[in-house]
Parts: sequence; structure tokens; C-alpha cells
Amino acid sequence: GDSVTQMEGPVTLSEEAFLTINCTYTATGYPSLFWYVQYPGEGLQLLLKATKADDKGSNKGFEATYRKETTSFHLEKGSVQVSDSAVYFCALREAGTALIFGKGTTLSVSS
Amino acid sequence: EPEVTQTPSHQVTQMGQEVILRCVPISNHLYFYWYRQILGQKVEFLVSFYNNEISEKSEIFDDQFSVERPDGSNFTLKIRSTKLEDSAMYFCASSEEGTSGGFEQFFGPGTRLTVL
Repeated sequence: GDSVTQMEGPVTLSEEAFLTINCTYTATGYPSLFWYVQYPGEGLQLLLKATKADDKGSNKGFEATYRKETTSFHLEKGSVQVSDSAVYFCALREAGTALIFGKGTTLSVSS
Repeated sequence: EPEVTQTPSHQVTQMGQEVILRCVPISNHLYFYWYRQILGQKVEFLVSFYNNEISEKSEIFDDQFSVERPDGSNFTLKIRSTKLEDSAMYFCASSEEGTSGGFEQFFGPGTRLTVL
């Protein structure tokens, strides 16, 4: 069945460092891909999405490109801030209504 | 900004007891969902609900679980005869649409269920 694999965390960075969180997926068709973020004590919030191959989702300085040839949707940010410290979830939706999530990657940014 | 709310934030129960987790979805949304996350594991889909009936469910959502929209605002998840392995964070979500490609599900902050 469909699945999502994310890099294991935690990821610890200094402020202004470059961030990459890897995400690969397995799907039979053409899923929509998502990154959700969870700040401490809050629910999951949609960070960005891409609905077809080669689409680039972007928001708040974060970007991810839907790469069908490598079945990947890696999250990147050029310069992280302390306020970016959170748990990041990669997810897909293919058919139906269910989102399929990865395990989440904890990002900790220090000043 | 409208948001999904969940109560309680933490529920402790004894094994074998019934629990009801409550959610208030965003008011103009039509699709409602429950997910759970066992500590250290993936967020897992349980069920989606539309037009007063279940539209999709996972293999986790067995006869122990039920969902209901008892009035125009609440959406509940009932777990009958809780087991230790039901201990998890339960997330409610809602969306305007269900199956269009880029729809967004809005999540609540979660209810942490601890079964002793």
C-alpha cells in the first residue's frame, strides 16, 4: 500500500543554517503531496503542498518539489530561524480522503 | 481565524472503560476525520465522515470505535472497552471538500488518551 518515509530526527541546526528534510513515498498512482508542521501544543498545520509532478510548493521560506522520477518531496529552507523549531510531517493522499503520514521529523534550531 | 477544537486535552481512563473524545470542526466544513498517533509512531488515519455517514475507514477502525455528529457542531469518537494499546494522541480534522486533489485538512490540537 501507499507509504511515506521521512528521515529520522531530531535535526539540530543553528540559526540561519540550511535545512533539508528528506521525504520519499510509495504510491501506485499520482498522489498529492503535503508537508504539515506541528508547533508545541498545537495541531498539525498545512505548510505547503503539490498536486502533480514537478510542482513546487512554497510557504514561509520553505520549499518542496514533487519529483516523480525519484518519488521524493524533500523539504528545504535556506535560512532557518529559532521559530521554525517544530515537528514536520510529510504526507500523501492518493485516492479517497485519508492522508498517509510519515513518522515526523523534529527540528530544533538554536540561536 | 477559524480553528478545530478538541476536548479534553488529556483523558486518563481505566482499561475496559468507554471514552468519548470530542471535536468541534470548522463551521462550514463538510468532511470530518479522526487520526491517531501512538507515541513514537506515525500519524494514522482512522475514519472520515461526510453527510452523516462514514465515507472511509482504516483497518484500525474496528467495532470498538464509532463516530457521531450528535448536533450541528460536535463530532465525536467513541472507544468502547478501551485497551492499553489505545493510548495515543487522537487528532480531529475537517475540510471543505473530501477528494479533490489539493484540499486541506485542518487539524485540532489533539487529545492525549492514556489507558491504565
